[in-house]
Amino acid sequence: QKEVEQDPGPLSVPEGAIVSLNCTYSNSAFQYFMWYRQYSRKGPELLMYTYSSGNKEDGRFTAQVDKSSKYISLFIRDSQPSDSATYLCAMIASGGSNYKLTFGKGTLLTVNP
Amino acid sequence: GAVVSQHPSWVICKSGTSVKIECRSLDFQATTMFWYRQFPKQSLMLMATSNEGSKATYEQGVEKDKFLINHASLTLSTLTVTSAHPEDSSFYICSASSTGQEQYFGPGTRLTVT
Repeated sequence: QKEVEQDPGPLSVPEGAIVSLNCTYSNSAFQYFMWYRQYSRKGPELLMYTYSSGNKEDGRFTAQVDKSSKYISLFIRDSQPSDSATYLCAMIASGGSNYKLTFGKGTLLTVNP
Repeated sequence: GAVVSQHPSWVICKSGTSVKIECRSLDFQATTMFWYRQFPKQSLMLMATSNEGSKATYEQGVEKDKFLINHASLTLSTLTVTSAHPEDSSFYICSASSTGQEQYFGPGTRLTVT
């Protein structure tokens, strides 16, 4: 079992739809959770960073962490064609000294106008 | 804020030559910088972690004599691919962090070795 599981998609939705992206993990030591957006041939862009269980909202994006279920989600409201990209979840374990990111495989999202 | 640049964005070199890639944090001091490589349609693979003024820590399977990393200041890290070969062709991305947890990525450098 991989440490971080993420459905690679592809996921295709109409403009304006609510998008739900998810990752599960197996390592209880993961304490820091990030979502990145990566456009083709570009570096990943940090969208959300959370530490505790619960919800964190930023504009059209909501990140949700459930540590008891080892499950994190990213919701995108009123999705736009410009949201079309690969979304990567990433995690860092506490107690480590090098803050190594463990990535999911990424979900390819297409928002159709 | 939190802008990271990389230079060059694309480089073509001949087999056997060396290539240097620069990573700069433009508006913050990066105590830690990370170097990744990414193959098409795959996720990022961490190559090494570097702290300013210290030797880099390489991931298992990454040749430290081939991929030389220098983190000489709080805003600059360099990756030198020595004696490059076609199999080294890839997308190289750096990230930088002042806290360790929040990592900001550069735009990437596409290396093609002919």
